[in-house]
Parts: sequence; C-alpha cells; structure tokens
Amino acid sequence: NAGVTQTPKFRVLKTGQSMTLLCAQDMNHEYMYWYRQDPGMGLRLIHYSVGEGTTAKGEVPDGYNVSRLKKQNFLLGLESAAPSQTSVYFCASSYQGYFYGYTFGSGTRLTVV
Amino acid sequence: DAKTTQPPSMDCAEGRAANLPCNHSTISGNEYVYWYRQIHSQGPQYIIHGLKNNETNEMASLIITEDRKSSTLILPHATLRDTAVYYCIVRVEAAGNKLTFGGGTRVLVKP
Repeated sequence: NAGVTQTPKFRVLKTGQSMTLLCAQDMNHEYMYWYRQDPGMGLRLIHYSVGEGTTAKGEVPDGYNVSRLKKQNFLLGLESAAPSQTSVYFCASSYQGYFYGYTFGSGTRLTVV
Repeated sequence: DAKTTQPPSMDCAEGRAANLPCNHSTISGNEYVYWYRQIHSQGPQYIIHGLKNNETNEMASLIITEDRKSSTLILPHATLRDTAVYYCIVRVEAAGNKLTFGGGTRVLVKP
C-alpha cells in the first residue's frame, strides 16, 4: 500500500499564479486533512473533509479552496498565490477521525516568489 | 481543549532512555493524551496514546500521572533515528474533532 501520496513534492510559483496540490490515499479513509507548516513551527490545519463531497474550514483557511469529489482524493487549490503561502503542505487521512490513526503524506514544499 | 506545555528542546545520549515531559493541568475526564513525532522534513508519525493507564507499544511507553495533569513519553533506548520533534496533544476523541499541533519538543539524540 502507498498510504498517502502527495503531488507535486516541490513547486515554485510566482505571485498571483494558481495551482492545485493533490492528495491521494488508498486506505479507504473517510477523513482527510490539509495542514501547512512554516519554518520552526507546528502544523496548522487549513481545511478538512469528513467524507466524499464534504469540506470544512480549519484554523487558517483564507486563500485556499478544497474539493473532495472522490473519496480517495483531496485537492488543495491556491487561486492567487502570495509569498505568505510559502510553506510545506502536508496531507493526512484517518479512519473516522480517530486521532491515533492519522497517516500523513511526505509533504509538498511550495515557494511563492 | 486542554492546553499542553512541553520543553522546547532536549538532548539525550544514544542508547539511553529519553524521557519527554508534557504538562496538561486543565485536562478533562474524557480527553486522551496523544504523542506524535516528526522527523525532519517528513510528515508526523503516531507514537502512542492513553487515557488513564500507562501504555506501552513497540515504539515507546506513556506514563500518565494519577491526577492526569502530566505525562511522560519514554523512548527506552534512544537511537540517532529518534531525533525529531515530539508533539504531545490532548483531545477528545469525537466525531468532527481534529488533531491540532503545538510547538512540541525538539529532541536531539547524540552519539
């Protein structure tokens, strides 16, 4: 099993450009999450989903949109990238939200110049 | 949610036990203590969790005080690969709840 796969692994964007980060999981997990981690800081929740077709805001949702059209995929979109969105983005999934069962991806390192 | 307090950093010697403290004095009766760790540049990894009793698995042991106001994660024989940031999280396991991360303890295992 691949677990949680994030693509791309690295990306450089210019201010104002848009992009989509893809998260795919093969564990049949209901819950999926997007976090961001800035240098030297803990992870902050951006958006999450408790099932196909549902999304909800986390701690820092501004500037991001998400979609969960298929159970196994959770997409994070940046419509107009800003330098403040330079960060490492982690996707995670869990079975029914159980905290001991979170599986994280390996991260996407995004730089906005 | 109960707030947790962890030391920002600590060193330990390879092969020795590493004891990582966490204070959660405002913990409520239905909140669990969870530990995750994040090795450099990787996604966080679950280690262990508990409610009242001490817990042990293949990675670590979790000791929770009787009043549940603090806990200690024990890595019995630290290796260089245990160098990571360790997060202590106190949350209610409930539908719609999310895992949130604080600053954690940066552990450096030295040869």
